[in-house]
Amino acid sequence: SQQGEEDPQALSIQEGENATMNCSYKTSINNLQWYRQNSGRGLVHLILIRSNEREKHSGRLRVTLDTSKKSSSLLITASRAADTASYFCATPPRAGSYQLTFGKGTKLSVIP
Amino acid sequence: DTAVSQTPKYLVTQMGNDKSIKCEQNLGHDTMYWYKQDSKKFLKIMFSYNNKELIINETVPNRFSPKSPDKAHLNLHINSLELGDSAVYFCASSPEVGNQPQHFGDGTRLSIL
Repeated sequence: SQQGEEDPQALSIQEGENATMNCSYKTSINNLQWYRQNSGRGLVHLILIRSNEREKHSGRLRVTLDTSKKSSSLLITASRAADTASYFCATPPRAGSYQLTFGKGTKLSVIP
Repeated sequence: DTAVSQTPKYLVTQMGNDKSIKCEQNLGHDTMYWYKQDSKKFLKIMFSYNNKELIINETVPNRFSPKSPDKAHLNLHINSLELGDSAVYFCASSPEVGNQPQHFGDGTRLSIL
């Protein structure tokens, strides 16, 4: 069953701008992960945030997690054309599950 | 060095045929997965193996049969291919069972004529 839902479905920005993508999920989680998928390629893991963390940074990426609202956001600062890709959040479908379920993704286009 | 490699990259075949997709990972991971991504980019888990043992088997037609000869390999055999099987199939691996970061192959694009 689908757990995470990304919003917006598509986002188009100019190079240098910031991009924010949101993810909402339904059940309790122990962690939430973000992945990137370039066209014609597999998913690449970006960042994992645990349920007891509120914010995490990795380079130009900033992820926040609000477990009370069951939502997360991914912020990409100073975007580059190479950031053009689809971004997915992934969560376990239910507490204690071994697997991950992925949303349908946000398609980000960064215009040079 | 490719961490998770799948072959073939493209597979075009006719309805009713049987085909196999191979996956190998050189990361030393214990857990491997097969996913199906449809035309709308929705990624759905099909199977997961941990140390050659099946641990996740989602609602997948029994025409799909995974095989793990060792923990570095997870192959997918599909019998009697149907039009609805057209999709991109991704193999992935993670160090062990649990909600750990997964490493994905670049996918096998299966087209059924």
